[in-house]
Amino acid sequence: QQPVQSPQAVILREGEDAVINCSSSKALYSVHWYRQKHGEAPVFLMILLKGGEQKGHEKISASFNEKKQQSSLYLTASQLSYSGTYFCGTRGNAGNNRKLIWGLGTSLAVNP
Amino acid sequence: NAGVTQTPKFRVLKTGQSMTLLCAQDMNHEYMYWYRQDPGMGLRLIHYSVGEGTTAKGEVPDGYNVSRLKKQNFLLGLESAAPSQTSVYFCASANLQGTHEQFFGPGTRLTVL
Repeated sequence: QQPVQSPQAVILREGEDAVINCSSSKALYSVHWYRQKHGEAPVFLMILLKGGEQKGHEKISASFNEKKQQSSLYLTASQLSYSGTYFCGTRGNAGNNRKLIWGLGTSLAVNP
Repeated sequence: NAGVTQTPKFRVLKTGQSMTLLCAQDMNHEYMYWYRQDPGMGLRLIHYSVGEGTTAKGEVPDGYNVSRLKKQNFLLGLESAAPSQTSVYFCASANLQGTHEQFFGPGTRLTVL
């Protein structure tokens, strides 16, 4: 039930691109992406709802393929500030408790 | 607005001691959550609340109790601390309407000796 994130870790040079995937074995209603910098709390990036919608946040965008039950986070022209751990959280239905099931995270390091 | 605040930021306990972690939010959010985060384990939900006076168990509730007597506060209690409860604890809140974004507090680092 826990979504699987891949890869587990990525090392980039500034300006390079990366893709982080989040896959579920169950049907998804929504996928939520958060970034957590070392020693800090997770911070919301974006939400993708059922319907294959693609959203963007600065140079970070994401897609949601409900048929494959997968979401991908695209980081374009990475900056040093993108370093951190990226988590996806998933919801299987539009229930009213807003609970998320979280992946284990993808560690991203952007070097100069 | 302070957002979500947590008290204390750090705490060291001896095995068997009890303590209460306080989470407060000033955004009038209905939903509140307590998570623990351990290396390599991601975020695991301990307990959550969908409104004042209501609480429910999450994935890892054993050894913890919670209360939500006021809408803005969500308390997490450890009755008899164990070394396995050494972790970073995060509180989060979310609105009934809107984007369903969860707003996180800064975390409490708890060590149980």
